[in-house]
Amino acid sequence: GAVVSQHPSRVICKSGTSVKIECRSLDFQATTMFWYRQFPKQSLMLMATSNEGSKATYEQGVEKDKFLINHASLTLSTLTVTSAHPEDSSFYICSASMTGVTAFFGQGTRLTVV
Amino acid sequence: QKEVEQDPGPLSVPEGAIVSLNCTYSNSAFQYFMWYRQYSRKGPELLMYTYSSGNKEDGRFTAQVDKSSKYISLFIRDSQPSDSATYLCAMSAFSGGSNYKLTFGKGTLLTVNP
Repeated sequence: GAVVSQHPSRVICKSGTSVKIECRSLDFQATTMFWYRQFPKQSLMLMATSNEGSKATYEQGVEKDKFLINHASLTLSTLTVTSAHPEDSSFYICSASMTGVTAFFGQGTRLTVV
Repeated sequence: QKEVEQDPGPLSVPEGAIVSLNCTYSNSAFQYFMWYRQYSRKGPELLMYTYSSGNKEDGRFTAQVDKSSKYISLFIRDSQPSDSATYLCAMSAFSGGSNYKLTFGKGTLLTVNP
């Protein structure tokens, strides 16, 4: 089956620093990648959609300058949380799609900002 | 009205029970219907994927789509404690270019008691 690897699985950083999360599709080429945020006991909240080689499309209310997304290749997308603050602490999940119809998810990254 | 409605539960059943999980939707443009399973602190895992109205079976899981009623279901037969997870329905609609937009329900938390 399609495998999406997300790294790191857990990260703790100091307030004011930046954190980069990687999302790789291991056995397929992902034309589209999605980034989600999930708070405890809540559903997935789509943050942005990115197509390879194009700028990401952000959902309303998501700060583009704070959550930088790069989709440089068909197998790699990165999310950088810039100048992280405690309120950015959350579970971040990426997903990748080859057909645009269904998507396969990474394992998620638990970010804690202290 | 939200595009996808899903009862968050929680739903608690004894081992061996038949479980019925449901979602309704309002957007008639949805063409593809999926069910994901998410264990705590993990990324969602694609369980079932259907396109047309009707039933699709995979082992103990049956996905049912009724486009005329805008209603989808997931049935789990002979439920096991290992089925305890959050189940999310998801639907996909063409959004322009070569893109599809995936919309998730809020998820139903299921607990199967031994």
